[in-house]
Amino acid sequence: DTAVSQTPKYLVTQMGNDKSIKCEQNLGHDTMYWYKQDSKKFLKIMFSYNNKELIINETVPNRFSPKSPDKAHLNLHINSLELGDSAVYFCASRAGSGNQPQHFGDGTRLSIL
Amino acid sequence: QKEVEQNSGPLSVPEGAIASLNCTYSDRGSQSFFWYRQYSGKSPELIMSIYSNGDKEDGRFTAQLNKASQYVSLLIRDSQPSDSATYLCAGYSGGGADGLTFGKGTHLIIQP
Repeated sequence: DTAVSQTPKYLVTQMGNDKSIKCEQNLGHDTMYWYKQDSKKFLKIMFSYNNKELIINETVPNRFSPKSPDKAHLNLHINSLELGDSAVYFCASRAGSGNQPQHFGDGTRLSIL
Repeated sequence: QKEVEQNSGPLSVPEGAIASLNCTYSDRGSQSFFWYRQYSGKSPELIMSIYSNGDKEDGRFTAQLNKASQYVSLLIRDSQPSDSATYLCAGYSGGGADGLTFGKGTHLIIQP
């Protein structure tokens, strides 16, 4: 019954590897997002997708690429992982347009060795 | 650059008292605001939404918005130890197509 689900919950890998994080929402929402929460707990937007179209692309490295096969899924692929990529990554979704609140997944804790 | 500012705390409040959390924002175009609660190691959980000037109450929680002063607050009445968490203030600008801009959060501790 989880509304926004992410996998994996934990991801430990070595520098230089490529990894993906998956996100699915069963709320019928139109827009999905990826956020990064750093070690100081600051939550910052990375990407959003609406109807499979990228709406915004914040100044994140192009090693990060969001991929949305359909409205219910937004995956995050990361190439050539670096130590600074260690963080918690949250997926979120929002209904409709305008000012609706966002609902967050449980997060993926990424640790780079 | 859109910014949301919060005092990081920690804010320590005795059990049963009122906890007052504050937030200011820089973008006058911001139209809607949200308070999220985040327990350590967990995801942000929506507590309150507020869209117009004034107060909005939901149970023990009251959100206040003053667009002229670019100020948002959250009051928690009858504070409980389970309210101990980090409270994140967030806002949208424009039509909301952008993601939320979050403050850095206020760490609230309710002392039994």
